[in-house]
Amino acid sequence: NAGVTQTPKFQVLKTGQSMTLQCAQDMNHEYMSWYRQDPGMGLRLIHYSVGAGITDQGEVPNGYNVSRSTTEDFPLRLLSAAPSQTSVYFCASSYGTGSSTEAFFGQGTRLTVV
Amino acid sequence: GNSVTQMEGPVTLSEEAFLTINCTYTATGYPSLFWYVQYPGEGLQLLLKATKADDKGSNKGFEATYRKETTSFHLEKGSVQVSDSAVYFCALRTNSGGSNYKLTFGKGTLLTVNP
Repeated sequence: NAGVTQTPKFQVLKTGQSMTLQCAQDMNHEYMSWYRQDPGMGLRLIHYSVGAGITDQGEVPNGYNVSRSTTEDFPLRLLSAAPSQTSVYFCASSYGTGSSTEAFFGQGTRLTVV
Repeated sequence: GNSVTQMEGPVTLSEEAFLTINCTYTATGYPSLFWYVQYPGEGLQLLLKATKADDKGSNKGFEATYRKETTSFHLEKGSVQVSDSAVYFCALRTNSGGSNYKLTFGKGTLLTVNP
């Protein structure tokens, strides 16, 4: 059971480039989300989805797009990369949206924008 | 809104020392509380959780008790090991709908345990 798989693990982009961070889960979880982790900031929610075809914005959505065409996949697109988007990105999934539900995290993508 | 405050790190301890990492929260509604751990180079893993007042979550020798009266969920371990070196995140989630489905995290506490 692979859990939550993120690719790539590392990426360097030039300012203005676009790219897609991939996230896939094989646990049939309905709820998926993207967080960014910055030093001294904890994790902040970028976008989330409560099921295929349904997405919504989190705390810090600017500069990012998401879509959810299948239950398994939840890609995060950077439209025009900026140095402020240098961060570690985590995808997470959970089997429900109840308050006690455990979230499962991928191993992260370390993105550097130069 | 929801927020989590945890003690600033880094925390450096010797092996077999007692560990406490403080965590307090504010929340609308009745939250569930979590401790997640992030080992070097890895994603976050659930360490323990508690879903109602006075519940104690425990795992791998770590414990935390949900204290509604003090809005706290402090993490403790009686005897830490080198392998416990990691970043620890306190988090909460409420069930009030909308983006309240999200986990709200503290800033994380880096723990280093020396042999």
